[in-house]
Amino acid sequence: GQNIDQPTEMTATEGAIVQINCTYQTSGFNGLFWYQQHAGEAPTFLSYNVLDGLEEKGRFSSFLSRSKGYSYLLLKELQMKDSASYLCAVMDSNYQLIWGAGTKLIIKP
Amino acid sequence: IAGITQAPTSQILAAGRRMTLRCTQDMRHNAMYWYRQDLGLGLRLIHYSNTAGTTGKGEVPDGYSVSRANTDDFPLTLASAVPSQTSVYFCASSDSGSYNEQFFGPGTRLTVL
Repeated sequence: GQNIDQPTEMTATEGAIVQINCTYQTSGFNGLFWYQQHAGEAPTFLSYNVLDGLEEKGRFSSFLSRSKGYSYLLLKELQMKDSASYLCAVMDSNYQLIWGAGTKLIIKP
Repeated sequence: IAGITQAPTSQILAAGRRMTLRCTQDMRHNAMYWYRQDLGLGLRLIHYSNTAGTTGKGEVPDGYSVSRANTDDFPLTLASAVPSQTSVYFCASSDSGSYNEQFFGPGTRLTVL
């Protein structure tokens, strides 16, 4: 079966750095996406990785290792507005997104 | 319209009733999707459409139907609602291809009693 695993909840301090991990087992791989979802709102796109390595975009970076079935999202200089759920999704061989349950990130002052 | 819209925002429905959730996008995207999101679970794909005139079944299609008469609209119909269909429903759209982020509508919160 297809499976995406990520921690249910994480807590971090304002101004700090946090890493959210995602491991996956899917039928085929056509890229990995990270989305942010604030409570009561729709998911919004953060990043896309299809090749191994690190993609940096401002305070957010995303890493992929295809051989290990592993990705992480790194958030630097945390701000209170970063409190949200972070969703990992893998595009499978049918070009459909398989979604993890999401990681709820709580930022404390 | 800017982006993707859904209606209604929320709805309480008696079991056994028929309900259509509406979704409209103005980005001329070829592909559209319907997901449901339940607490503790990831987004689950109900149905999708890669282009106008075609539809496909996702992971959890039972009890739902869709149509794609044109590029912009992708309604989701519950023929006879059941309590297990209580959920938040998101419509999304994207250009075709692998690297194409999906843009989500604001969601419809549906409660079936």
